[in-house]
Amino acid sequence: AQTVTQSQPEMSVQEAETVTLSCTYDTSESDYYLFWYKQPPSRQMILVIRQEAYKQQNATENRFSVNFQKAAKSFSLKISDSQLGDAAMYFCAYRSGAYNFNKFYFGSGTKLNVKP
Amino acid sequence: ETGVTQTPRHLVMGMTNKKSLKCEQHLGHNAMYWYKQSAKKPLELMFVYNFKEQTENNSVPSRFSPECPNSSHLFLHLHTLQPEDSALYLCASSQEPTSGDLSAKNIQYFGAGTRLSVL
Repeated sequence: AQTVTQSQPEMSVQEAETVTLSCTYDTSESDYYLFWYKQPPSRQMILVIRQEAYKQQNATENRFSVNFQKAAKSFSLKISDSQLGDAAMYFCAYRSGAYNFNKFYFGSGTKLNVKP
Repeated sequence: ETGVTQTPRHLVMGMTNKKSLKCEQHLGHNAMYWYKQSAKKPLELMFVYNFKEQTENNSVPSRFSPECPNSSHLFLHLHTLQPEDSALYLCASSQEPTSGDLSAKNIQYFGAGTRLSVL
């Protein structure tokens, strides 16, 4: 089974600064998808950003961008201009690109604190 | 609001009780999931339903019994639970590709979860 590792249980960043959350994964597949989800105290998991493994270009969504290193099996999330509302648990997730194989594997999460 | 609604938000039950968790998705998706979220552990996938058919049962104890009567509703029936079953139970849905439509983006949308406490 694929494994997803988030080595930073908790991180802090000053408001308006930039922070990078790390994620590594283990797979033998060449086609897959990677995700970052945010879970605020309201508990609702919200998709932050999605990356398709066959695309070399790193995905970006406004202040959120990823550094996808396929050979290194690394998928870090960069949050620029951090805001108080960014404080949450962040989960990295993997799913196979195989047709009709919709199992998702999640990391254990990184708690992000944003200091005013 | 992600279009996935879970009820109840909180549930306290004794080990001999029988209760059910409910999930409803308003997104027209064809796949639904149950996850267990415990503190400091990765989300644990419990069950997957594709087109109302259960396609995954991740070695979940039989005291958890899923039911998917249609593509919009998913239940998790609970009976004779143990204190270690206390956790946040999350429901999710996704639109999976079909042979007639390969354009689905494979993104999961989550409900806000049910916080379960077993006494």
